[in-house]
Amino acid sequence: NAGVTQTPKFRILKIGQSMTLQCAQDMNHNYMYWYRQDPGMGLKLIYYSVGAGITDKGEVPNGYNVSRSTTEDFPLRLELAAPSQTSVYFCASSYQGQGGSGYTFGSGTRLTVV
Amino acid sequence: AQKITQTQPGMFVQEKEAVTLDCTYDTSDPSYGLFWYKQPSSGEMIFLIYQGSYDQQNATEGRYSLNFQKARKSANLVISASQLGDSAMYFCAMTYSGSARQLTFGSGTQLTVLP
Repeated sequence: NAGVTQTPKFRILKIGQSMTLQCAQDMNHNYMYWYRQDPGMGLKLIYYSVGAGITDKGEVPNGYNVSRSTTEDFPLRLELAAPSQTSVYFCASSYQGQGGSGYTFGSGTRLTVV
Repeated sequence: AQKITQTQPGMFVQEKEAVTLDCTYDTSDPSYGLFWYKQPSSGEMIFLIYQGSYDQQNATEGRYSLNFQKARKSANLVISASQLGDSAMYFCAMTYSGSARQLTFGSGTQLTVLP
């Protein structure tokens, strides 16, 4: 019963480098999300997806790209990393109905851009 | 647009005492959901409690209860009999109908339980 799995857990990037944050869920959830959390702040939505092949921008999408080719996977791509992208990134998934317990977060990826 | 406001950046409580963490929200959607999450220093997001806008009774989960006052647009978290392990960051969040259940988060309250 893995839930939402994020890799890597930690990463240091140099300015201008690119990387992909991986996210996979095994709960057959239609909805998936990427959030970022800056120090001492709440989470902000980067991108989300309502199903395979469908993605949409959240509050802070600039500098990121996503794809959703399967129900299970929702990778987040950072192109040309900048210091402002230093943050903790959370992937989450949810079923379509109401309620709280069906909203599941991964353990996070701590990214530092130097 | 939805907005969550948490006005207490930090709170202290004595062990075994009760504490209330404030949360107010703003939305024009009549159907919405309110969440509370705990984030310990290890960083994971732990779901605590959920309240739907049409739920007649306040939600309770063990030592956690949600004081839902719809007219005031407030959804305060009450933790009874605080424990040292309750020291953490607490976030209020909401989603609304017609969305893909995206969560809008408040800025959080850092709770410290004193022995």
